[in-house]
Amino acid sequence: DAMVIQNPRYQVTQFGKPVTLSCSQTLNHNVMYWYQQKSSQAPKLLFHYYDKDFNNEADTPDNFQSRRPNTSFCFLDIRSPGLGDAAMYLCATSRDFGGVGPDTQYFGPGTRLTVL
Amino acid sequence: AQTVTQSQPEMSVQEAETVTLSCTYDTSENNYYLFWYKQPPSRQMILVIRQEAYKQQNATENRFSVNFQKAAKSFSLKISDSQLGDTAMYFCAFKLRQGGSQGNLIFGKGTKLSVKP
Repeated sequence: DAMVIQNPRYQVTQFGKPVTLSCSQTLNHNVMYWYQQKSSQAPKLLFHYYDKDFNNEADTPDNFQSRRPNTSFCFLDIRSPGLGDAAMYLCATSRDFGGVGPDTQYFGPGTRLTVL
Repeated sequence: AQTVTQSQPEMSVQEAETVTLSCTYDTSENNYYLFWYKQPPSRQMILVIRQEAYKQQNATENRFSVNFQKAAKSFSLKISDSQLGDTAMYFCAFKLRQGGSQGNLIFGKGTKLSVKP
């Protein structure tokens, strides 16, 4: 089955220690998104890739970076995690049919990040 | 700017009964999509139902149906024959039918639904 996969599902890191979360997809979608979701809140968009073009949200801290080496994979790097970065991180993908923007977003299971 | 409002932070329903979750949105645009996503506790967010604004017919997926009132900017979700597995946070979301940042998904704050046996 085509899907969005996130690894690891649970990640524990220490305050200030860099961490990388990964997302892969078999849907062959050209748009990939990273969201941060804190407890009982809606997901908050951090950034997205439209093909190879990186689009950062204005209020995303510089501490968060992303890489997309190919269509299938996308990484979220947190350079110096703080206690406030503990959250669920969701990856999503969608396809742009051309001219009307991306369609439905499909989400991965998420990575729960704990910062000690 | 577009906004999505879910006015019911929490709801509960008895198993096998019907429940309606409300959602209103604000936009001056005419071409957009509306979605309901379901996120069970500690589990994956999945798409429940999708509505294209230009379609007058309400979308239906098995026990899930919407009441889309474009003029009133209302998009409620009806769950019939509620099951214990329907217990989840439900997010209403809006998306303009265009690319770039204007086409980002805009979520409501969610409604936590509990289905009781």
